[in-house]
Amino acid sequence: AQTVTQSQPEMSVQEAETVTLSCTYDTSENNYYLFWYKQPPSRQMILVIRQEAYKQQNATENRFSVNFQKAAKSFSLKISDSQLGDTAMYFCAFRDNDMRFGAGTRLTVKP
Amino acid sequence: DTEVTQTPKHLVMGMTNKKSLKCEQHMGHRAMYWYKQKAKKPPELMFVYSYEKLSINESVPSRFSPECPNSSLLNLHLHALQPEDSALYLCASSFGTSGDSGANVLTFGAGSRLTVL
Repeated sequence: AQTVTQSQPEMSVQEAETVTLSCTYDTSENNYYLFWYKQPPSRQMILVIRQEAYKQQNATENRFSVNFQKAAKSFSLKISDSQLGDTAMYFCAFRDNDMRFGAGTRLTVKP
Repeated sequence: DTEVTQTPKHLVMGMTNKKSLKCEQHMGHRAMYWYKQKAKKPPELMFVYSYEKLSINESVPSRFSPECPNSSLLNLHLHALQPEDSALYLCASSFGTSGDSGANVLTFGAGSRLTVL
């Protein structure tokens, strides 16, 4: 079974700065999908960004971008120009037949 | 409609009670999921329904009984729960369970917070 590892339980960043959250995964599959979800205190899980494993180009969504290294099985999330509303729990997720989540990184954006 | 709606938002029940959690979506999604999330932990998959058929049961105790009456509705029937079952229960849906990443994106509801006394 695949595993997803987020090695940073907590991180903080100053408003307007850039922060990178790390994620590694383990799988024997070749075709799969990777996601970053955000869970603010409101509890709603919100999709931040997604990446198809067969695509070499890193996904970008406005201030959010990923660094996908397939050979290293690494999938980090970069948040640029951090905003107070980015404060949340961030989960890295791996999907082939079902969705599995990493343990999460609690990000605090400080004013 | 781009939402997954879960009711109730909060539920308190005794160990002998029978209750149900409900989930509804009208996005035409054909896969629906139940996840359990304890505090400060990631969501853990419980059940997956694909085209109204149970496709994954992650060895969940029988005191949790899922039901998918139609492609828009998903229920989780609760009976004889234990205090350790107290958690946030998240429902999610997706277009499918395989294929392109669009089919694989899960849309989550806001969850039902369950407390078992």
